[in-house]
Amino acid sequence: AQKITQTQPGMFVQEKEAVTLDCTYDTSDPSYGLFWYKQPSSGEMIFLIYQGSYDQQNATEGRYSLNFQKARKSANLVISASQLGDSAMYFCALEADKLIFGTGTRLQVFP
Amino acid sequence: DSGVTQTPKHLITATGQRVTLRCSPRSGDLSVYWYQQSLDQGLQFLIHYYNGEERAKGNILERFSAQQFPDLHSELNLSSLELGDSALYFCASSPGTGVPNTEAFFGQGTRLTVV
Repeated sequence: AQKITQTQPGMFVQEKEAVTLDCTYDTSDPSYGLFWYKQPSSGEMIFLIYQGSYDQQNATEGRYSLNFQKARKSANLVISASQLGDSAMYFCALEADKLIFGTGTRLQVFP
Repeated sequence: DSGVTQTPKHLITATGQRVTLRCSPRSGDLSVYWYQQSLDQGLQFLIHYYNGEERAKGNILERFSAQQFPDLHSELNLSSLELGDSALYFCASSPGTGVPNTEAFFGQGTRLTVV
């Protein structure tokens, strides 16, 4: 069985500050992938970043980085230098035998 | 543009009816996943197909069925529709079934409203 958990229903951050969105997971599969997606109010699901279970280094994509702590089974998303356009729902996802999603965190960036 | 195409974008239908949602994956992708997102909810995994075969099933109702065709497009059939089936239905595609897939891209979704 696999499980993914996002414990923060909502987060606030001031523009230009960094913010960390939490994600923990559980799976017995040794090979798995972790994804983060952004869903703005328009509804589309935008792929942000990916981390494989065997990757030695934390993934980074522009202002997004994934803080992967395998022993703790956590895969937190760090957004640096927040922008107003970052306001959205953020979903963490785990692919082991299937691709499942957490319940999401609503991020609001204020000026 | 993710390269994943879903049609129609919007669908309004009455209770008891049947609808078909269509998904064309990105070129070269063999895996298709279907999800249901009700209002202000997360994404509920419904079903996963790989190269025409069902690979994993989630919380999919018996009134719902899906298939993936030889050209790799997929259809999700929803029958005997109820008001509670109103939701945003997404499909996603990825290159293969082997883990890890390093990417999975979503279509824009079909918003189904049952009245």
